[in-house]
Amino acid sequence: KQEVTQIPAALSVPEGENLVLNCSFTDSAIYNLQWFRQDPGKGLTSLLLIQSSQREQTSGRLNASLDKSSGRSTLYIAASQPGDSATYLCAVRPISNFGNEKLTFGTGTRLTIIP
Amino acid sequence: GAGVSQSPSNKVTEKGKDVELRCDPISGHTALYWYRQSLGQGLEFLIYFQGNSAPDKSGLPSDRFSAERTGGSVSTLTIQRTQQEDSAVYLCASSLVGFSYEQYFGPGTRLTVT
Repeated sequence: KQEVTQIPAALSVPEGENLVLNCSFTDSAIYNLQWFRQDPGKGLTSLLLIQSSQREQTSGRLNASLDKSSGRSTLYIAASQPGDSATYLCAVRPISNFGNEKLTFGTGTRLTIIP
Repeated sequence: GAGVSQSPSNKVTEKGKDVELRCDPISGHTALYWYRQSLGQGLEFLIYFQGNSAPDKSGLPSDRFSAERTGGSVSTLTIQRTQQEDSAVYLCASSLVGFSYEQYFGPGTRLTVT
């Protein structure tokens, strides 16, 4: 059974710092991995999608990497801002879910950027 | 363009009552998913619709939960005889069919069973 872990569960950093969020998964047989952010009381906003054949994806100040063989992904946030404060979730689409494209989610990292 | 919408945004109901939650997916998205996010729990899959195929109901926690999708678009999740443990945020997502496509989520319905 695929398990997705995100450590730490919470992280606080001063504004302007670069930071890395971690995601690990137990089964490397995945189609892709997706990073989301969730603001309090809100739904999920898709940030980046990395296909299994890709090593990284970039969008603005965000860069996500994928090392499928080791079961790890990182989300790098450059020059953090208070508006980046949110919970960040990673999710994988396991190959074992063939016929059902459901995602398996990590439990998230709650990020606080201190002004 | 319009994203995924859900209604109501909040629902408070008494234990034992039935509730219906609605999801309007992005136009043209034939895949639709329901997930549940409980306090202290991660996001868990409930049900998946793809086009006219039979839905994958493997994530539904009990037979009190059911869902339908009419005309390949709007979906309704129904919870009968609600229990306090049903209190959670119910999230709907849609996507194009295919493993390479992103899932787009709605804002969720926060259900509180008193």
